[in-house]
Amino acid sequence: NAGVTQTPKFRVLKTGQSMTLLCAQDMNHEYMYWYRQDPGMGLRLIHYSVGEGTTAKGEVPDGYNVSRLKKQNFLLGLESAAPSQTSVYFCASSPEGFGNTIYFGEGSWLTVV
Amino acid sequence: DQQVKQNSPSLSVQEGRISILNCDYTNSMFDYFLWYKKYPAEGPTFLISISSIKDKNEDGRFTVFLNKSAKHLSLHIVPSQPGDSAVYFCAASDTGRRALTFGSGTRLQVQP
Repeated sequence: NAGVTQTPKFRVLKTGQSMTLLCAQDMNHEYMYWYRQDPGMGLRLIHYSVGEGTTAKGEVPDGYNVSRLKKQNFLLGLESAAPSQTSVYFCASSPEGFGNTIYFGEGSWLTVV
Repeated sequence: DQQVKQNSPSLSVQEGRISILNCDYTNSMFDYFLWYKKYPAEGPTFLISISSIKDKNEDGRFTVFLNKSAKHLSLHIVPSQPGDSAVYFCAASDTGRRALTFGSGTRLQVQP
């Protein structure tokens, strides 16, 4: 039971570099999300998708882009990484939107130096 | 401005005693509330939820209470066990189901 899988789990970037975080889910869920977790801030929604080919902005979208070309995958891109983007990133999915429970991946630790 | 607040960053209780974790919210449009549990180096996992049409929901050792007039909910764990030691996040969604807003979390330590 893979559930929600994120890659990579750890990454160190230099300021200005770009990278993509990949999220894959095998539960045939329609909704997928990217959150970031920072100390004292809880989890904040970056972007989400309500189905294949759709994306929408969350609470803290600036500096990130996303794509949902396939139902099972949700990619989070950082075009020009900044130290403020040092965080733990969690991908999640759910069958019917936020009212239902959502299932999280194990997290990706990103450090921007 | 945080719409979901967990004002206690940490809580320590003895094994076998009750743990009470609190959460306050400010958005009156929130009508569905969830608690998630998170162990280090793992993603959060769903624990229990409650709809605004109820004031209590139980699942084994876990009970969530909702006081809509006070915009307050609490999670009771009884009896507490060392394996319950984790960070607990309160979360809320509104009637449009467009966003799940999380609190900042409370770290629970259950002492053997």
